[in-house]
Amino acid sequence: SLELAQPPSVSVSPGQTAKITCSGDTKHFVHWYQQKPGQAPVAVMYKDTERPSGIPDRFSGSSSGTTATLTISNIQAEDEANYYCQSADGSDSYVFGSGTEVTV
Amino acid sequence: EVHLVESGGGLVQPGGSLRLSCAASGFTFSDHYIDWVRQAPGKGLEWVGRSRNIANTFRTEYAASLKGRFTILRDDSGSSLYLQMYNLQTEDTAVYYCVRGRNGFNSGFDYWGQGTLVTVSS
Repeated sequence: SLELAQPPSVSVSPGQTAKITCSGDTKHFVHWYQQKPGQAPVAVMYKDTERPSGIPDRFSGSSSGTTATLTISNIQAEDEANYYCQSADGSDSYVFGSGTEVTV
Repeated sequence: EVHLVESGGGLVQPGGSLRLSCAASGFTFSDHYIDWVRQAPGKGLEWVGRSRNIANTFRTEYAASLKGRFTILRDDSGSSLYLQMYNLQTEDTAVYYCVRGRNGFNSGFDYWGQGTLVTVSS
């Protein structure tokens, strides 16, 4: 079954760029969710590169081969959160990555 | 405005059963896939299962790891989704989220409920 590997943690200084990778042999789009403590997740990227309305343009996504990447440019303190990637495994189930804790 | 509100969580003994509810509003319920996602305390997100939309005959699918212990029921007239859980184990302790699929299979989740906590313990 599909596994999506993410780095456990990423630490960056304010104003710098954070890159979070999601590696796995999925043939499907990857989505990204941000989760802050005590809150439900919020989507920050759909289908590899589609930013939802209301998400700042410092969030961007890309995909190459078996790795999808979420990039947060000019990172702000409010971006500190856990980030999860998600994709499909075959035609009927979904898988989430293990999550990356981003510290600013 | 889209809302998803879960209820029904609580404390249950190992081997017991529980039914969670998800009340939806603000959109045409039958047009969307609705999924359940759970999160054990301090852990990551885990997909539980889904009810597809009316165009896909509301077909249900589940995570293989659940081994048939969970069933998703849908009441379109009441815009509600249910998660019936049987033979609960301590590892089922988690916050259970009801989530809306944007548009079809693997299109991403655009709305999440606030979650309801299920604790399985003796």
